[in-house]
Amino acid sequence: NAGVTQTPKFRVLKTGQSMTLLCAQDMNHEYMYWYRQDPGMGLRLIHYSVGEGTTAKGEVPDGYNVSRLKKQNFLLGLESAAPSQTSVYFCAIGQGSSYTFGSGTRLTVV
Amino acid sequence: DQQVKQNSPSLSVQEGRISILNCDYTNSMFDYFLWYKKYPAEGPTFLISISSIKDKNEDGRFTVFLNKSAKHLSLHIVPSQPGDSAVYFCAAVIQGAQKLVFGQGTRLTINP
Repeated sequence: NAGVTQTPKFRVLKTGQSMTLLCAQDMNHEYMYWYRQDPGMGLRLIHYSVGEGTTAKGEVPDGYNVSRLKKQNFLLGLESAAPSQTSVYFCAIGQGSSYTFGSGTRLTVV
Repeated sequence: DQQVKQNSPSLSVQEGRISILNCDYTNSMFDYFLWYKKYPAEGPTFLISISSIKDKNEDGRFTVFLNKSAKHLSLHIVPSQPGDSAVYFCAAVIQGAQKLVFGQGTRLTINP
């Protein structure tokens, strides 16, 4: 998935811990998105950004915060992780009919 | 409120035959429809799309059909190959909203 890099790829957190997921793009795209994928539920939009300095809520924003201080980076934060946030997280860039996804971050909250 | 639905969680097809994956939607404001393919431990990769003003789009072995009156689209893969085994997601873009809404996914297994 060239152009969209997610770090880390895997992480295990204890309940109540915090962490930040990083999405970096080298395609100079305005729009960036964070999705989570859970079995049987497809991908659901958490937050998105339409440009540097902007963020907006998606379908399932509770428990997450985001920041887009630089155009190429979109950060997803969990302030106090809960087991319900165990999921695979995908970052995406794009708009219209063209979107590119990162390879994902598998997060387990115990 | 599931705006995009894939009602078949799984589908098994013999190699060489046609695979047909289905998707239904409820929102008439969707602008584009896209199909993504996903292998385990990888991100979704774009497969094919169709504009809401078209009723068919073809790319090699992949064809997407859109029936606006029925709010239904389908992805046809012919002939099916073992490498097509993956989870397929249907997704739609709302006019002006610039964000994808996904279906639940269908796991396609191609049997030799």
